[in-house]
Amino acid sequence: DQQVKQNSPSLSVQEGRISILNCDYTNSMFDYFLWYKKYPAEGPTFLISISSIKDKNEDGRFTVFLNKSAKHLSLHIVPSQPGDSAVYFCAAIIQGAQKLVFGQGTRLTINP
Amino acid sequence: KAGVTQTPRYLIKTRGQQVTLSCSPISGHRSVSWYQQTPGQGLQFLFEYFSETQRNKGNFPGRFSGRQFSNSRSEMNVSTLELGDSALYLCASSRAGISTDTQYFGPGTRLTVL
Repeated sequence: DQQVKQNSPSLSVQEGRISILNCDYTNSMFDYFLWYKKYPAEGPTFLISISSIKDKNEDGRFTVFLNKSAKHLSLHIVPSQPGDSAVYFCAAIIQGAQKLVFGQGTRLTINP
Repeated sequence: KAGVTQTPRYLIKTRGQQVTLSCSPISGHRSVSWYQQTPGQGLQFLFEYFSETQRNKGNFPGRFSGRQFSNSRSEMNVSTLELGDSALYLCASSRAGISTDTQYFGPGTRLTVL
């Protein structure tokens, strides 16, 4: 039962353009969402998060959008840089449940 | 400040054996959680410990178990290994838990079951 889904296993974007990574969820109890970035041979690192009471959160080149009615969130990276090439995981939390539910990940490749 | 450390980094076992993986959290962090990463399933939550108590667990068989010590270090054990247990096992730590704090991940232990 995959409650958090990233339907695109991979995405290729040209340097300087916008990267858009998508994530869908099925459990309406989720109230906090996060994006993690993972390089090979390293653990995931926290990138950006959003509470369910908001629909947008920005941090520099990274913006996360949340559409609760569609149970969909997306991560926008503008402009994309070669160092952004990594696997991106979407994750969700039910506050108080002490459990992090991840998607399958999307491998982003930024081409020069 | 030292990050989360996991030992060993690589491990090869055969079916039927058991394995113990270790995780040392960042100093001052009392919550440790464990995840299994496989190509098709992504990252799946195994369990979370805080002050030596398991607060939540994922949908894994009883062959997967864990514990946390008084110094917050944690171990996970997998008994009667199966081929499908081959994966990257990640642990993460935080001060008070998944619901309240950013999770800091270790580099993982790559387990191969032959």
